[in-house]
Amino acid sequence: GQNIDQPTEMTATEGAIVQINCTYQTSGFNGLFWYQQHAGEAPTFLSYNVLDGLEEKGRFSSFLSRSKGYSYLLLKELQMKDSASYLCAVRDNYGQNFVFGPGTRLSVLP
Amino acid sequence: KAGVTQTPRYLIKTRGQQVTLSCSPISGHRSVSWYQQTPGQGLQFLFEYFSETQRNKGNFPGRFSGRQFSNSRSEMNVSTLELGDSALYLCASSPGGRDGTEAFFGQGTRLTVV
Repeated sequence: GQNIDQPTEMTATEGAIVQINCTYQTSGFNGLFWYQQHAGEAPTFLSYNVLDGLEEKGRFSSFLSRSKGYSYLLLKELQMKDSASYLCAVRDNYGQNFVFGPGTRLSVLP
Repeated sequence: KAGVTQTPRYLIKTRGQQVTLSCSPISGHRSVSWYQQTPGQGLQFLFEYFSETQRNKGNFPGRFSGRQFSNSRSEMNVSTLELGDSALYLCASSPGGRDGTEAFFGQGTRLTVV
């Protein structure tokens, strides 16, 4: 079966660092993606991992361990505008069909 | 470069009716995927079209169907609407290669079934 788990909600303070974890069990694996979705808006792409290790992109970094079925998204120097839902998604074969996790709603407090 | 365009943005339908939603992908993109987003179930994959052919399909009943035209625009149809079909329907566009990267989402169509 397909299963992706993320914490439902997280809270952090402006300027801090937060790590959002994602564990997955899917029938196949062809990349793990992180998307950001503000309320009422479309998801926007943040990062992509297909090999083990860390991918850094400005204030955002994403890590993948395929053997553990585990990924995390690291957000540094948090800003108020980072308050959003963060979606972990696995592409489980060739094509563009993503299996999405339930999303983590992050609240950044002043 | 224009983004992914979905029409209409909002729709209210009555139970039992049918509805057609439209998605115009980014120019040059050949893959269009459709997703249903609800508060309870999150984002769920409906189907993907690539070069006018359905390439992947999720676990939705046959009332949900789609098609893709030669210009890569895609439509999604839901027949015999049920209250539970109320959701945000998102389409995603990508170049479509077998090792493609991210998908770009449209703003979605919010469907309310009453």
